[in-house]
Amino acid sequence: AQKVTQAQTEISVVEKEDVTLDCVYETRDTTYYLFWYKQPPSGELVFLIRRNSFDEQNEISGRYSWNFQKSTSSFNFTITASQVVDSAVYFCALSEATGANNLFFGTGTRLTVIP
Amino acid sequence: ETGVTQSPTHLIKTRGQQVTLRCSSQSGHNTVSWYQQALGQGPQFIFQYYREEENGRGNFPPRFSGLQFPNYSSELNVNALELDDSALYLCASSSYRASSYNSPLHFGNGTRLTVT
Repeated sequence: AQKVTQAQTEISVVEKEDVTLDCVYETRDTTYYLFWYKQPPSGELVFLIRRNSFDEQNEISGRYSWNFQKSTSSFNFTITASQVVDSAVYFCALSEATGANNLFFGTGTRLTVIP
Repeated sequence: ETGVTQSPTHLIKTRGQQVTLRCSSQSGHNTVSWYQQALGQGPQFIFQYYREEENGRGNFPPRFSGLQFPNYSSELNVNALELDDSALYLCASSSYRASSYNSPLHFGNGTRLTVT
């Protein structure tokens, strides 16, 4: 069965600090996809990244970076030099190849960046 | 590029009633998925529509049904509303191509449904 665990319910950091959001997943499929979405107070889920199970290269996009490690079934997300606009709920999600648009979401991590 | 739009924004219904939520896909997208997000939880997959047919369903009872129209817009219908149906309902669209993986889901702002 599929499962996504985001153990950190809430995190608060002071502006300009770095912060890492943890995500651990479970799946029996060998082909799967991992995602991160950001949900600001407006409610819309904003797509941040998609990774497939065959690509373990870490990725950096501006202040955002992602560390995918199959050995530990983790897909962690780091924000460098956090800003107040980064305050939101962040969701990690898993999609197995057979259910392309069936995303299993974690319970989310609420990040608050204090000015 | 027009994003995913949902209506209404908020809705209050009474237990036992029926409700219809609407979604317009992002231009160029041909699949629509619906998710239910209870307070403090992650979204849960309800179902997906492609070519006007249901193409995948999560663990939701039959009183949750949907439609996709030729212009790729969609409706989510919920019959016999229960108090636990109170949630944010999110619509998402993507572009499906048989030869490759779907494009990532693009979500709307959601409809907040309150059942009293």
